[in-house]
Parts: sequence; structure tokens; C-alpha cells
Amino acid sequence: QAQLVQSGSELKKPGASVKVSCKASGYTFTSYFMNWVRQAPGQGPEWMGCINTKTGNPTYAQGFTGRFVFSLDTSVSTAYLQISSLKAEDTAVYYCARYYYYMDVWGKGTTVTVSS
Amino acid sequence: EIVLTQSPGTLSLSAGDRATLSCRASQSVSSSYLAWYQQKPGQAPRLLIYDASNRATGIPDRFSGSGSGTDFTLTISRLEPEDFAVYYCQQYDSLPRTFGQGTKVEIK
Repeated sequence: QAQLVQSGSELKKPGASVKVSCKASGYTFTSYFMNWVRQAPGQGPEWMGCINTKTGNPTYAQGFTGRFVFSLDTSVSTAYLQISSLKAEDTAVYYCARYYYYMDVWGKGTTVTVSS
Repeated sequence: EIVLTQSPGTLSLSAGDRATLSCRASQSVSSSYLAWYQQKPGQAPRLLIYDASNRATGIPDRFSGSGSGTDFTLTISRLEPEDFAVYYCQQYDSLPRTFGQGTKVEIK
């Protein structure tokens, strides 16, 4: 069955960068968009944007432009989220989730902690 | 951007009770492009309902969704112990996709 496996937790200092991976299996990777969703501690999910896995074209939500980059490596069915110039307020769980409309398959999440 | 407002914030119920959760949109959600998710502590959200009223694969029939336009409802007919969790609605009528702030269903 379809599955998304995310990379492990990260502890970073302010100003550093992080790259989170999301490896898909059990379905054709390029048949479904990939979403990225942030969930800050004690908060609800927040849609960061998505990437067209056929074309590589990303769409970013307001507030997630500039420091956030979505990318792909279709040869290994993997999507990536890179965040640069990390700030304390980037501390959150980051999820990848499949599909363009509702999100039917989710990764388990990657915890990114930004602390000096 | 479509703002989704969920009510109540917390629902205190007992196993076997009926739960009714509301999600109101700031503007009409066309074609009922609304989903519901369940999230338990330390877990990713899980899709329950899509297109306002269709159950996702493997979701028990005690979960049902209804509504259209700006008012949507998730009903859990008889709460099981594993149903105590936080529930979120999400619209996919337009970009950006948005989520409600959640309703926590807790044990009374």
C-alpha cells in the first residue's frame, strides 16, 4: 500500500539549514502531487504548499516563500523540503502528504527543533 | 483565503455517546471540497472523510460527514475509546488549502 517515509528528527541552531526527505513507495510517485504541512507545537496543521511531481513546479503558500524550497528526485521517488536561515519559530513537525486536493496518505512527520 | 472555524473547541463525551462537530467556512466551498481528519497525540493526521461525505478507505461507518456551502458537520454515531482525539476540517476548493483550528473530543 502507499507509504511515505520521512527522515529523522533534526536539531539545528538558528541561521542553519535543514533538508527533510519524504520517500514514497507503493504507488507511482509522479501520479500525485506532494504537499508539505507544518504543525507548530500545540497548533493545528498549516499547509505550506505543494509540488507537482510530474513537472517539479512548486506552489508556496504565503508565509513560506523565500526560505522554503520544495524539490524532487523522481529517480528515487523522494520529495524534499529545505529550510534555510532557520529561526526559533520554525520549530515544528513537518509532514509530507500525498495528493493535490485532500491528503490521503501522510508521512509520520519530521520534528525540526531550532535552538541555540 | 477561505477561513474555517470549527466548533466547539472541546467536546467532553463518554464512550457510546454521539459526537457532532461543526466546521463553518468564511465563503462557500464549491463542490463540497471539504475533508475531515483525525489526529491522535504524536501521530500524523488521518483522512476520515473527503468531498464532505465520502468515507476514506478503512474508515468505520460510525463516522459520517454532511453539509454543503459554508456549513459542514462530522458525526460520530457512537464513540469508541479510540475515537477520543482532535478532529480537523480542511478545504480544497481553492489555494491556499486551509485547515480549521480543530475540535478536541475528550473523555468526560
